[in-house]
Amino acid sequence: AQKITQTQPGMFVQEKEAVTLDCTYDTSDQSYGLFWYKQPSSGEMIFLIYQGSYDEQNATEGRYSLNFQKARKSANLVISASQLGDSAMYFCAMRERDSNYQLIWGAGTKLIIKP
Amino acid sequence: NAGVTQTPKFQVLKTGQSMTLQCAQDMNHEYMSWYRQDPGMGLRLIHYSVGAGITDQGEVPNGYNVSRSTTEDFPLRLLSAAPSQTSVYFCASSLVAGGPGEQYFGPGTRLTVT
Repeated sequence: AQKITQTQPGMFVQEKEAVTLDCTYDTSDQSYGLFWYKQPSSGEMIFLIYQGSYDEQNATEGRYSLNFQKARKSANLVISASQLGDSAMYFCAMRERDSNYQLIWGAGTKLIIKP
Repeated sequence: NAGVTQTPKFQVLKTGQSMTLQCAQDMNHEYMSWYRQDPGMGLRLIHYSVGAGITDQGEVPNGYNVSRSTTEDFPLRLLSAAPSQTSVYFCASSLVAGGPGEQYFGPGTRLTVT
């Protein structure tokens, strides 16, 4: 079974609009962490945001926020006021304590911002 | 700080050849890992290490060896290259295995096996 599911292979969004990238996860571990990374066309992996399973507040980092719904096992990334530079692949990943903290990745969502 | 460095950036191998991908970090991170990224897929963990002298297998370890003799270095060895190992390889490190610490990634090595 997929541990991390990103159901949107690709998305087009108008510049300045907000965008939500979906991520659902599967775990029976009580202690885990969820990450979002951005990969521009240049290929590097850029850390965006982290949410711990015990964190009660949704994580925020500038224009990025993580909509964490623990009961639904979802960890959607919200980008407010999108910019042309946000065009990239976005990956959701999970790290579980019971798996020795190995980072498991989703297949990614390709986001294209239209001017 | 140089962060995480990887060499080479590009490599072409013939089937059956062996080679070592180098990875080094200067942040005194305990945790290091190797991933491969194939088109249309997320990263898949090959091997990881929680400290010098300790390594373990990830999701796709077959055909690869690692060692961690120092905190700084974590080389990945391809024993006998196969076309299925054509991929982009990323090395990453984090301060510790768990917790909120992000993984810092190297720039990647693009490997082609013919």
